[in-house]
Amino acid sequence: AQSVSQHNHHVILSEAASLELGCNYSYGGTVNLFWYVQYPGQHLQLLLKYFSGDPLVKGIKGFEAEFIKSKFSFNLRKPSVQWSDTAEYFCAVSVLGGYQKVTFGTGTKLQVIP
Amino acid sequence: DAGVIQSPRHEVTEMGQEVTLRCKPISGHNSLFWYRQTMMRGLELLIYFNNNVPIDDSGMPEDRFSAKMPNASFSTLKIQPSEPRDSAVYFCASSFGDSNYGYTFGSGTRLTVV
Repeated sequence: AQSVSQHNHHVILSEAASLELGCNYSYGGTVNLFWYVQYPGQHLQLLLKYFSGDPLVKGIKGFEAEFIKSKFSFNLRKPSVQWSDTAEYFCAVSVLGGYQKVTFGTGTKLQVIP
Repeated sequence: DAGVIQSPRHEVTEMGQEVTLRCKPISGHNSLFWYRQTMMRGLELLIYFNNNVPIDDSGMPEDRFSAKMPNASFSTLKIQPSEPRDSAVYFCASSFGDSNYGYTFGSGTRLTVV
């Protein structure tokens, strides 16, 4: 079964700092990869996703993620964070075919200080 | 599109009472997922349905939990009897196909068992 690891549990940044959140997955086959964001008191929303093709994926609000197959990684990046990016970020993975469920990581809480 | 609709938004109940959470998926989505989110355990998949059929209920904590999907537009998650440790936010999500498109989450039900 697939699994997802997010090693940073809590990240604190100042506005305009660059962001990189780590995500590693464990599965030997072809995967789909996702990043979700959960703003305080709200539900999870899809930020970006990777299925195939260009390993550099661009999402909403200036976020991007790079799939590095050899490292089993899908790190989330943003060049300059804003206070409004304060949220919890979840990496997720699913495998192709069948009734595949999405497995979520434990999340990384990002706090952006004005 | 109204999105995934969950009710109630908040539920406070006494220990031992029956609790029923409701979810209406996005029209046309054929997969439905129930998640539980707590500070201690993060986001846990409880059960998921495909075409109204339960596919994987291995995440259901114990026999006190049950879920049904009588038709494509409605699902319930029932806890009977409820216990304080069931206090959490319960999210419903739906998707089309085998998760390639990512999930759409509902706004969640915050359950407090006193």
